Amino acid sequence: EAGVTQFPSHSVIEKGQTVTLRCDPISGHDNLYWYRRVMGKEIKFLLHFVKESKQDESGMPNNRFLAERTGGTYSTLKVQPAELEDSGVYFCASSYYYPGQGPHGYTFGSGTRLTVV
Amino acid sequence: GNSVTQMEGPVTLSEEAFLTINCTYTATGYPSLFWYVQYPGEGLQLLLKATKADDKGSNKGFEATYRKETTSFHLEKGSVQVSDSAVYFCALDRETSGSRLTFGEGTQLTVNP
Repeated sequence: EAGVTQFPSHSVIEKGQTVTLRCDPISGHDNLYWYRRVMGKEIKFLLHFVKESKQDESGMPNNRFLAERTGGTYSTLKVQPAELEDSGVYFCASSYYYPGQGPHGYTFGSGTRLTVV
Repeated sequence: GNSVTQMEGPVTLSEEAFLTINCTYTATGYPSLFWYVQYPGEGLQLLLKATKADDKGSNKGFEATYRKETTSFHLEKGSVQVSDSAVYFCALDRETSGSRLTFGEGTQLTVNP
């Protein structure tokens, strides 16, 4: 079974540019999550999709970040325009619901390391 | 709100040394507790978990016990190996759905031969 796939693995962009990160969850996983780790700090939740709907986007830092999951399959996270403080590692995770038992199979991708210069 | 505090790193040990990484948490209700590990160049992997008080999670020689009275979930291993070098994250989930993880800052462990 393929795992959660993220790309690119690394991205270096200039301040003010736009970057789009992509996450392909495990097939059949309705839940998709984005997290971010900035400057060796804790990993922070950004948002949670259930299929194509945003279940919880309370962790999105500001309106320069836009996440989409058209068709309930892969997801993109766009940063526009990028700022220096957006540098960090962006993780994606996916899971499925087992009836009556909540999320199962919570699996993370390898992350995208974003550097804004 | 929920929060997780890990001991500050980095931690450097010699092979076969005893490892403890402290983790304490603040949460409402009864969260599940996790340890995740990130090996160099790889994604986050679940190392072990505990879902209720006094549960002990274990995997690959690592153990952690859910202590509600001290709100702690310390990670231990009796004899570390060079291959254990990685970043370790303590985390908890929200009580109701487990859909959103709250992480600590991570502890970099380096094991020297």
